[in-house]
Amino acid sequence: AQSVTQLGSHVSVSEGALVLLRCNYSSSVPPYLFWYVQYPNQGLQLLLKYTSAATLVKGINGFEAEFKKSETSFHLTKPSAHMSDAAEYFCAVTGPSGNTPLVFGKGTRLSVIA
Amino acid sequence: GAVVSQHPSRVICKSGTSVKIECRSLDFQATTMFWYRQFPKQSLMLMATSNEGSKATYEQGVEKDKFLINHASLTLSTLTVTSAHPEDSSFYICSAVPGQGATGELFFGEGSRLTVL
Repeated sequence: AQSVTQLGSHVSVSEGALVLLRCNYSSSVPPYLFWYVQYPNQGLQLLLKYTSAATLVKGINGFEAEFKKSETSFHLTKPSAHMSDAAEYFCAVTGPSGNTPLVFGKGTRLSVIA
Repeated sequence: GAVVSQHPSRVICKSGTSVKIECRSLDFQATTMFWYRQFPKQSLMLMATSNEGSKATYEQGVEKDKFLINHASLTLSTLTVTSAHPEDSSFYICSAVPGQGATGELFFGEGSRLTVL
C-alpha cells in the first residue's frame, strides 16, 4: 500500500521568500513521486517527478524537489515565491510497475503575500 | 507532451437526469484511464480504473451502477453519472497512462465540474 502525507494544509509566504511544501510518503515498493499544481477550477499540471534517477529533481516554474529515502520525504521548494505561484499543490505517489493510479496527498494551499 | 482532453468542462443538470463526461487521449493510446473525484477544497480520490475492452474496476464505496464507465477505444473513456443527485455535484478528473506507463506519470484532463440542481 502507498500513501502520502502533506504537512500543512495551508502555507503562506511573502513574495520573494522561500517556498517549502512538505511531503512524506509510505510505499512498500520503490516509489515514483510527483508534485502537481492545481489552479482554481482547473485540472492538474505536473511540476516535477522522481522516477528513480537523480534524487534532486528540477521542474517547471523554478520548483525543485529532493528525494530522501532515509527520511521518506519529497519536499517541494522554490527559492523565491512569485504571486503567480499561489495555488493548490498535491504530492502523489505510485509504483514503478506502470498502469497504476496515483495516490494523492490532501494538498497544500500556497498563498503568496505581496 | 501528452494531451488528455475532457468534455464538457462544466455541466449543470437537473436532479434525476444522467450526464456523460468524455475523456480523450489526443496524441497517444491509453489502455488504462483513471477517473478521480474531487470535492471542494479536498484531494483527488480515485473512483475507478478504466481498461480498454473490459469492465472498469471500481474503488470501494463507489457505486458502479451509478457511475458507468465505458472504455470503448484506446483513446476514449466515458463516465456517465446516472440519475444524478445534488450530492453527486463535484469536480471529476480523468487521467491516462501513455503506452505501458513506464515512468508512472499520468496525464490529466482539464476536469469537469458537475452541478446537480
